[in-house]
Amino acid sequence: GAVVSQHPSWVICKSGTSVKIECRSLDFQATTMFWYRQFPKQSLMLMATSNEGSKATYEQGVEKDKFLINHASLTLSTLTVTSAHPEDSSFYICSAGGLAEKYNEQFFGPGTRLTVL
Amino acid sequence: AQKVTQAQTEISVVEKEDVTLDCVYETRDTTYYLFWYKQPPSGELVFLIRRNSFDEQNEISGRYSWNFQKSTSSFNFTITASQVVDSAVYFCALSTFSGGYQKVTFGTGTKLQVIP
Repeated sequence: GAVVSQHPSWVICKSGTSVKIECRSLDFQATTMFWYRQFPKQSLMLMATSNEGSKATYEQGVEKDKFLINHASLTLSTLTVTSAHPEDSSFYICSAGGLAEKYNEQFFGPGTRLTVL
Repeated sequence: AQKVTQAQTEISVVEKEDVTLDCVYETRDTTYYLFWYKQPPSGELVFLIRRNSFDEQNEISGRYSWNFQKSTSSFNFTITASQVVDSAVYFCALSTFSGGYQKVTFGTGTKLQVIP
């Protein structure tokens, strides 16, 4: 149980295009979902936290208009990188929380590697 | 504010050696959880252990063991008889839940290379 999937696993796009990444909790309802960004050889940096049905809370320094997060249901959250540029190339990881018996634990997706040319 | 420090950036050991990865944390919360994750080259985070702040009992799982010392705010991870498959980046993380929000802070990670 507590499986989280991400789609796509990797994506290559041209500069200026928008890319949508999906995060799904497959076998539980995730009241909260988190989006992280990881640069090569660096740690995971929290970008935003989203609760189902409400606006995402962004960490300081993360552009809301650049990284659009939608958490429309208890099993799906999406991250859209708008007008992507090469500096947005990174490894994006989502996680889901809210499983009652696994309080305070997050379950991580496999990540999405974004390359912007 | 909460913080997780993994002072060791990279460690290299020869296969079959024991290795300890250090983790020191800071938080003002009295209730919190500590985690260790393994991140192989594929990138996917692999959950290793969760420990809550009220449980200081050390844990052993096969070749892995964890030493939680609340007095020194440390949660160290030891791999006994290391194997090449243990080569990965290991992250220590701290999770708290306050004000209705869950917050997880990751350490900077320790890259472990096990040499055959």
